[in-house]
Amino acid sequence: GQSLEQPSEVTAVEGAIVQINCTYQTSGFYGLSWYQQHDGGAPTFLSYNALDGLEETGRFSSFLSRSDSYGYLLLQELQMKDSASYFCAVGSGGGNKLTFGTGTQLKVEL
Amino acid sequence: DAGVIQSPRHEVTEMGQEVTLRCKPISGHNSLFWYRQTMMRGLELLIYFNNNVPIDDSGMPEDRFSAKMPNASFSTLKIQPSEPRDSAVYFCASSLLGVGTEAFFGQGTRLTVV
Repeated sequence: GQSLEQPSEVTAVEGAIVQINCTYQTSGFYGLSWYQQHDGGAPTFLSYNALDGLEETGRFSSFLSRSDSYGYLLLQELQMKDSASYFCAVGSGGGNKLTFGTGTQLKVEL
Repeated sequence: DAGVIQSPRHEVTEMGQEVTLRCKPISGHNSLFWYRQTMMRGLELLIYFNNNVPIDDSGMPEDRFSAKMPNASFSTLKIQPSEPRDSAVYFCASSLLGVGTEAFFGQGTRLTVV
């Protein structure tokens, strides 16, 4: 089966940088995705890493180390609107099966 | 495209009743997922379909749960009989079949079983 671990909560101040870690155990790993979910909303896609290294998309970057079964999401220049839950998700079963971690609630403060 | 459409948005039902949740995926998408979200268990994958065929239903909690996808534009998740512990937000998501493709989520159905 699959298991993913993330910190349950992270708090940071506006303008700061925050890193949300994710460790996973899975068979047939294809890649690691990140999703954002605001309270009462639906998860929305942020990024995907299939290979080791850093992927940058604006203020957000995502990193993957396949050998360490580890990844992280880096959020820079934090804004109040970044307050949300962030989920890592592993692709397996040919890549199409998407299993989510428990999520990290990020609170951005003034 | 209107995105993934789920209905109803909210459902309150009595224990023992049958509940049917509906989902219309994005046109052209050929993978469909059903997830359940609760505070205790997070976002659980219940079942997913590729090209209307169920691929993995290992997340379906009990025989009371069943899902169908009769065609590329419609899927249902049925709970019969429903129990209070089934109370959760149920999300449907769709994507293009492939590795690392973005999954698009519907707005979810908030189910309350009393």
